[in-house]
Amino acid sequence: DSGVTQTPKHLITATGQRVTLRCSPRSGDLSVYWYQQSLDQGLQFLIQYYNGEERAKGNILERFSAQQFPDLHSELNLSSLELGDSALYFCASSVDGGSSYNEQFFGPGTRLTVL
Amino acid sequence: AQTVTQSQPEMSVQEAETVTLSCTYDTSESDYYLFWYKQPPSRQMILVIRQEAYKQQNATENRFSVNFQKAAKSFSLKISDSQLGDAAMYFCAYRSAGYTGANSKLTFGKGITLSVRP
Repeated sequence: DSGVTQTPKHLITATGQRVTLRCSPRSGDLSVYWYQQSLDQGLQFLIQYYNGEERAKGNILERFSAQQFPDLHSELNLSSLELGDSALYFCASSVDGGSSYNEQFFGPGTRLTVL
Repeated sequence: AQTVTQSQPEMSVQEAETVTLSCTYDTSESDYYLFWYKQPPSRQMILVIRQEAYKQQNATENRFSVNFQKAAKSFSLKISDSQLGDAAMYFCAYRSAGYTGANSKLTFGKGITLSVRP
């Protein structure tokens, strides 16, 4: 158990819908990262938050957005869902924002299926 | 931008034997970190081993060791005395070692599926 929690574990929804994925980082970790794992794109970085502020952005679609709340949990919002958004979404957390090496600990992931 | 390439989609090894998984990467940076992650059927991402680019000595963690060739931009993982529990997907990953937040993301290869024959 990495200490990072993600809810829900599975999510099945229809095209055009909107969903919210939730991540709680390890106690004491200030950074949250979101990654998407799909058959087409592999594992790719979406976005990073550090202590409530967006720190880095990767290949995140405009239909997707994220935020980190004062209690440091993070939510990834996916809207106007398409079949191709079906994937495993991972959240990872680390102690700081990248000024030195700190391991990223991965949550168990949320499996999103868009029908 | 950095890229990570794992050209072998699948490999198989006999239990108790040794197997080497290959990875190459491309970067213009001189300081970075390289990783091997294991993803078993549970889908959990597990860090297997880490290598700092400024260290010439290859990292080892019990039965896992790497062969880091910085000039060739090659980073292979050797698993000795393979066990049934080693069966999983293995990802090679790259991280910059700079001091800005944008450098802390992980860039992954496509992964390789390792099966272990009893």
